[in-house]
Amino acid sequence: EVQLLESGGGLVQPGGSLRLSCAASGFTFSSSAMTWVRQAPGKGLEWVSAISRTGGGTYYADSVKGRFTISRDNSKNTLFLQMKFLRAEDTAMYYCAKRARSTGTDWFDPWGQGTLVTVSS
Amino acid sequence: QSVLTQPPSVSGAPGQRVTISCTGSSSNIGAGYDVHWYQQLPGTAPKLLIYDNNNRPSGVPDRFSGSKSGTSASLAISGLQAEDETDYYCQSYDSSLSAWVFGGGTKLTVL
Repeated sequence: EVQLLESGGGLVQPGGSLRLSCAASGFTFSSSAMTWVRQAPGKGLEWVSAISRTGGGTYYADSVKGRFTISRDNSKNTLFLQMKFLRAEDTAMYYCAKRARSTGTDWFDPWGQGTLVTVSS
Repeated sequence: QSVLTQPPSVSGAPGQRVTISCTGSSSNIGAGYDVHWYQQLPGTAPKLLIYDNNNRPSGVPDRFSGSKSGTSASLAISGLQAEDETDYYCQSYDSSLSAWVFGGGTKLTVL
């Protein structure tokens, strides 16, 4: 069974840092591109960042560019999101998901259960 | 303001058919990028419902169907059931933003 398990969320002060992890199992992690998507409380989904299978390609939403860094350790089947200079508007549930594609645009499946990040003083 | 526009809410009676629209522009749906749909039950992670405009993953009932035309896409749900009452999101890619994008989400109410 494909499983994604996020961890690392918590309460952090504005300007602080946090590192999220996503442990993958049930599929060949090193062959799969991955992504992070967040959802602020009571709001919709927002794509945050994505990474290629090897980690050589990384992509960011404008809202987090320069503050967040996505990476992966294929030897440990783990995806990361390093978040710095956190703002109140970064408060959200953060989901990791596996990217998939046939011939066109990537879709995200499956998703982890999410880890909650709260930025507040 | 989401790049892809969805109605905030739709409703229908049990057994009826409803559609949820997803309107984009020439830099996303209109540029030929595929549209995918997700269902999110309260307190849970989103689940893939439709991929590549009109394909259902295994396990998704054939009551759910998708279509795409021009700069818009639609999710249709026929034979509405109480368990369908939840949130639905469309997703595509935008070449101007170089980003994957979501619609704002639609809450379906089964009357």
